[in-house]
Amino acid sequence: DIQMTQSPSSLSASVGDRVTITCRASQSVSIYLNWYQQKPGKAPKLLISAASSLQSGVPSRFSGGESGTDFTLTISSLQPEDFAIYYCQQSYSIPWTFGQGTRVEIK
Amino acid sequence: QLQLQEAGPGLVKPSETLSLTCNVSGGSISSINYYWGWIRQPPGKGLEWIGSISHSGTTYYNPSLKSRLTIFEDTSKNDFSLNLGSVTAADTAVYYCARHSMFRFGVGAFDIWGQGTVVTVSS
Repeated sequence: DIQMTQSPSSLSASVGDRVTITCRASQSVSIYLNWYQQKPGKAPKLLISAASSLQSGVPSRFSGGESGTDFTLTISSLQPEDFAIYYCQQSYSIPWTFGQGTRVEIK
Repeated sequence: QLQLQEAGPGLVKPSETLSLTCNVSGGSISSINYYWGWIRQPPGKGLEWIGSISHSGTTYYNPSLKSRLTIFEDTSKNDFSLNLGSVTAADTAVYYCARHSMFRFGVGAFDIWGQGTVVTVSS
């Protein structure tokens, strides 16, 4: 199985801050990497597919990057509604696997 | 607008079979471009892909669950279902059904999710 490791596991930030979350794959997943946002008691929401393609309706302050087996999710200016848990997921090979999540909290 | 809704018992006894159905409205599960999947989330933990089924009925299972798992579809009812046998407390989780679509460069992702249903395994 491909292991997806996110860092940090949690972070505290203020509204307006720039936030970057990293996801490292244990082997190449090409660009088969997606990012999801999950709020308490809700289903995950797809933010970015194919490492950097923003889903329709997702604010442009979210962006994704890729360098080899390292992927990043950046929020350029954190908004109150962005406090949530973020997960990466590889769809390169079965079993599709998720990172353990990064909790973004209010400082 | 496509919607998914999980249905099934919230409490299952250890060693029994967990059965859930995902009712799909606003679109057909026979659409060529999509797969339909199950994902679970134990209390306070992360997400685990369980398995998926294609429009043609081909199934893809997580090897860690494969020996206990069956996913099937009923195109006449426009739904798909999950049976997980010999459950233990470790199978307690929120179970989500979701649509798996193909995006840019053929990368697949779960783009529409049900609200999730809580399943507890306990005697």
